Amino acid sequence: ETGVTQSPTHLIKTRGQQVTLRCSSQSGHNTVSWYQQALGQGPQFIFQYYREEENGRGNFPPRFSGLQFPNYSSELNVNALELDDSALYLCASSTSGSYYEQYFGPGTRLTVT
Amino acid sequence: QQQVKQSPQSLIVQKGGISIINCAYENTAFDYFPWYQQFPGKGPALLIAIRPDVSEKKEGRFTISFNKSAKQFSLHIMDSQPGDSATYFCAASNAGKSTFGDGTTLTVKP
Repeated sequence: ETGVTQSPTHLIKTRGQQVTLRCSSQSGHNTVSWYQQALGQGPQFIFQYYREEENGRGNFPPRFSGLQFPNYSSELNVNALELDDSALYLCASSTSGSYYEQYFGPGTRLTVT
Repeated sequence: QQQVKQSPQSLIVQKGGISIINCAYENTAFDYFPWYQQFPGKGPALLIAIRPDVSEKKEGRFTISFNKSAKQFSLHIMDSQPGDSATYFCAASNAGKSTFGDGTTLTVKP
């Protein structure tokens, strides 16, 4: 069984640029959630995708957008990068149901200069 | 708005001791309460979780105690080991969307 994988591992971007982060969910999991983890803080929920549709969104601006593909993999896109977007971006996959067990990938470390 | 408050921020325990981390939540719509362990450079790993209709759950050395009326829950690590040294996060979830505490850095001294 393959776990959650994310790419790239690290990324450095300049303020104002756009970035795409990728996530492959664990085998059999149809739900993907994205989180932002700033240094020294807990992860913050960005949004969740289920069956290729956005299924809930946290307190993040519209320049944070996503996609889920038929194979349940997912992308997180961030436009007009700001310095405060520097963080570890985590993807978590799970199966649908009332009590989700989320399995996290290793994350993508994004640095905005 | 801090919906899940976690304490302490850091904890130092001797090998063999008991580590206790506490969390409190506000939103009564939360229906799933997981704990995660995170090592540097890694993503959080699900450790143990509890549903609100259960007051305690034990898995090996790890126990969650849950107080629904007080809206509080805690993680107890028995016989703490140096390999348990990590950052621990509590979370509260509703329909799979999780709100995390700010984490507790646990150091277990040999």
